[in-house]
Amino acid sequence: QLELQESGPGLVKPSETLSLSCAVSGGSISRSSFFWGWIRQAPGKGLDWIASINYSGTTYYNPSLKGRLTISIDTSRNQFSLKLTSVTAADTAVYYCATVAGETGARYFDFWGQGSLVTVSS
Amino acid sequence: QSALTQEASVSGTVGQKVTLSCSGNSNNIGRYPVGWYQQISHGAPKIVMFGNSLPSGIPDRFSGSKSGTTHSLTISGLQPEDEADYYCSTWDNSLSAWVFGGGTELTVL
Repeated sequence: QLELQESGPGLVKPSETLSLSCAVSGGSISRSSFFWGWIRQAPGKGLDWIASINYSGTTYYNPSLKGRLTISIDTSRNQFSLKLTSVTAADTAVYYCATVAGETGARYFDFWGQGSLVTVSS
Repeated sequence: QSALTQEASVSGTVGQKVTLSCSGNSNNIGRYPVGWYQQISHGAPKIVMFGNSLPSGIPDRFSGSKSGTTHSLTISGLQPEDEADYYCSTWDNSLSAWVFGGGTELTVL
């Protein structure tokens, strides 16, 4: 069974860059059938998809955040990462990494990490 | 405003059958299967239904159905441990994005 673990700073200053990594264990990140994704949840709010990537580097970004986002994958370290630039208080959230399983046209978020709280504050 | 619409809250008693709904349009639910995610006490979400299929380990009191651009999650024989927030999600072809509903808070009375 796959396990995912987010890591990154819990506090980021406004206008700076938020960087998070997700370490994958229990399987290879190079599995061709999987995408790997980030989802966030602001305090007291619902889930919001951020971005997804597969082993070959195909990416999908939330249009509302595109331009500030970079998702990348490191197959040698079996992890994938997220960078979000020019953060504001509105980016304060719990950030989850997750596997995106299934087939083209029929995918779902299968395994989730425990989440990493990121607070944007000076 | 979420692309998918869910009830804000639903409640039921132990043993009762409850149905949660998720409404979208022809670009999302009308085209792609829907996933339902259970989030207990703000912990990590867990998938409990995909389309009409039950993921491994999920009790068979959970079931899914679709009518047009609305997908429903039914819990037959409600249990105290089912109390949670439930979110629906699918791909939206016009937005080129995964979309989530606003979530339904399920209370077991």
